[in-house]
Amino acid sequence: DGGITQSPKYLFRKEGQNVTLSCEQNLNHDAMYWYRQDPGQGLRLIYYSQIVNDFQKGDIAEGYSVSREKKESFPLTVTSAQKNPTAFYLCASRVLRGSSYNEQFFGPGTRLTVL
Amino acid sequence: RKEVEQDPGPFNVPEGATVAFNCTYSNSASQSFFWYRQDCRKEPKLLMSVYSSGNEDGRFTAQLNRASQYISLLIRDSKLSDSATYLCVVNDKGVKGGGADGLTFGKGTHLIIQP
Repeated sequence: DGGITQSPKYLFRKEGQNVTLSCEQNLNHDAMYWYRQDPGQGLRLIYYSQIVNDFQKGDIAEGYSVSREKKESFPLTVTSAQKNPTAFYLCASRVLRGSSYNEQFFGPGTRLTVL
Repeated sequence: RKEVEQDPGPFNVPEGATVAFNCTYSNSASQSFFWYRQDCRKEPKLLMSVYSSGNEDGRFTAQLNRASQYISLLIRDSKLSDSATYLCVVNDKGVKGGGADGLTFGKGTHLIIQP
């Protein structure tokens, strides 16, 4: 089945540790995105990538890093520099060509808790 | 600053009632519009796109008013399963003052259908 997978579903981290969240899609989508969602808050864009080996900062990129070595994969690293990393992290992808109405598909999310 | 504003609710509505949500957006050049649904602790999923002429999908009707810069969602004959958070999403990619990659999410309106 085509879709977006994220792993792990739940992740616990000690303060001062870097962690990497996985995101894979087999939809052949051009663009991939990372969002963060805090309780009662909307989605905030961390990073996005429209093409392999290129990515752009979103609204809250500080303390995060990404790579896009393959079209299918867009891992997110939460570094120790991120002051408040506990949140629900959502990966998404969509086709860029054609209509501005191209749907953005989301993965099931990773819930990160810093202990 | 690009903004998408929604009433956070919660809206407590008896089963079978009709409920309406509004959403306003600040960028008058925005190109496309969506309603996403997000269940508790799950990823957002596309409910429907919103076109200039308005569109209907079963019990759901979406309308766009470009002059007043608002989008509405009407749910008729509400079901218990409609309980969720409804996210208003605007694509202003490529327009002046638009988002980094176009999609701006509102914080969502929480709907609770009561038996």
